[in-house]
Amino acid sequence: GQNIDQPTEMTATEGAIVQINCTYQTSGFNGLFWYQQHAGEAPTFLSYNVLDGLEEKGRFSSFLSRSKGYSYLLLKELQMKDSASYLCAGMDSNYQLIWGAGTKLIIKP
Amino acid sequence: GAVVSQHPSRVICKSGTSVKIECRSLDFQATTMFWYRQFPKQSLMLMATSNEGSKATYEQGVEKDKFLINHASLTLSTLTVTSAHPEDSSFYICSARGDRGQSTQETQYFGPGTRLLVL
Repeated sequence: GQNIDQPTEMTATEGAIVQINCTYQTSGFNGLFWYQQHAGEAPTFLSYNVLDGLEEKGRFSSFLSRSKGYSYLLLKELQMKDSASYLCAGMDSNYQLIWGAGTKLIIKP
Repeated sequence: GAVVSQHPSRVICKSGTSVKIECRSLDFQATTMFWYRQFPKQSLMLMATSNEGSKATYEQGVEKDKFLINHASLTLSTLTVTSAHPEDSSFYICSARGDRGQSTQETQYFGPGTRLLVL
C-alpha cells in the first residue's frame, strides 16, 4: 500500500533550526512535495524534490533520498510565523499525491 | 507563483439546500483540478479529481450524486454540494495543476478554501 509517515507534532525555539522528517511508500514515484498550512487556511506550496539531494530556498531547504524513501524539510532561523502544519506528499506513478497527516510545528519564544 | 481563487470563502446555509463553490486558476491553465475536504484538526481528504472536459473521478466513499463537479474550462471548476446536511459542514479546498511551462508543472496550487456551515 501507499503510505506517508511524518511526526504528529514538533516544538522548537524561535531562532533555532528544526528538521521535519518524512518517509514514504508510493506505487511508483514522481516526486516529493512539502506544503505549509496555517490553522484555518489552505496549504501553500513550499518545495518539490524529484532528484536526490538538497534543494535550498531561503530559510527553507528540502532533502530527498529516493533509495531510502526519505525526505526532510529543514527550517532555519525560525520565526513565530513559522508555527503551522507541514504536509509531506508523495506523487505516485499516476501523478496522484499521497498526503501525510501533517506535522504541527510549535515555535516558542 | 500560481494563483488559484475560490468563491465563496465562507457560506452558511440551511439543511436541504444546495451550495456551489467555484475554483478558478487565474494565471495558468489547469488541466487537472482537485477537490479536498478537511475537518478540524484532521488531514486533507481528496474527494475527487477532474480533468477539463471529462467526468470527475471520485475517491472511494464520496457520493458523486451529492458532490457534483463540473470542470467546464481550463480555468474553472465547480463543486456543488446538493441537499446539504450538517455533517457536510467542513473546509472545502480546491487545487489546480497544469502545464505552466516550468519544472514544477506537477505542482498543485491551492485555492484559499471555502468554509461551509450547514444549519
